[in-house]
Amino acid sequence: AQSVAQPEDQVNVAEGNPLTVKCTYSVSGNPYLFWYVQYPNRGLQFLLKYITGDNLVKGSYGFEAEFNKSQTSFHLKKPSALVSDSALYFCAVREAGGFKTIFGAGTRLFVKA
Amino acid sequence: DVKVTQSSRYLVKRTGEKVFLECVQDMDHENMFWYRQDPGLGLRLIYFSYDVKMKEKGDIPEGYSVSREKKERFSLILESASTNQTSMYLCASTLGQEHYGYTFGSGTRLTVV
Repeated sequence: AQSVAQPEDQVNVAEGNPLTVKCTYSVSGNPYLFWYVQYPNRGLQFLLKYITGDNLVKGSYGFEAEFNKSQTSFHLKKPSALVSDSALYFCAVREAGGFKTIFGAGTRLFVKA
Repeated sequence: DVKVTQSSRYLVKRTGEKVFLECVQDMDHENMFWYRQDPGLGLRLIYFSYDVKMKEKGDIPEGYSVSREKKERFSLILESASTNQTSMYLCASTLGQEHYGYTFGSGTRLTVV
């Protein structure tokens, strides 16, 4: 069965510092991995995805994520955080050939000015 | 800009009422999904549809049903609303190919009293 874990409920970072939001996953086959962001009282917005190829993928708003197959991880990163990055972030996984996408519980990111 | 539109932003219903949540997408997407979002639990899949008149149960279908009579519209039905169905409901759609990310609606916050 597919599963996603986001081990941190909340991440705090100062503006200008690098940020990392962690995600680990479990699937029986090849994974398709996604990150989404949710701003208050809004639906989720797609940030980036890993399908195949380069382990470092770049997405919207300066975010990137690194796929690590041996550690079954897909951590979200940004070199320099902005206050406007404060939001709820969801990691998601879909098994290749499957219809269902499984979401993690979410990590709330606070960026202090 | 592509859109997924959920008909109501906020709803308050009484226990035992039949509730209809509507979702319309204008992107000609084959696949549509209903999730509910609860704090600490992330998004949980209720039902999904990969074609008109087709539906599949997700992880938590009990107490819900769905209808997809037209490609662009996917309705979620709470047959007899209960207080434990108070939640944020999110509709999403995607192209048939499995490696596309989802486009989400803004969500419907349902309160059952």
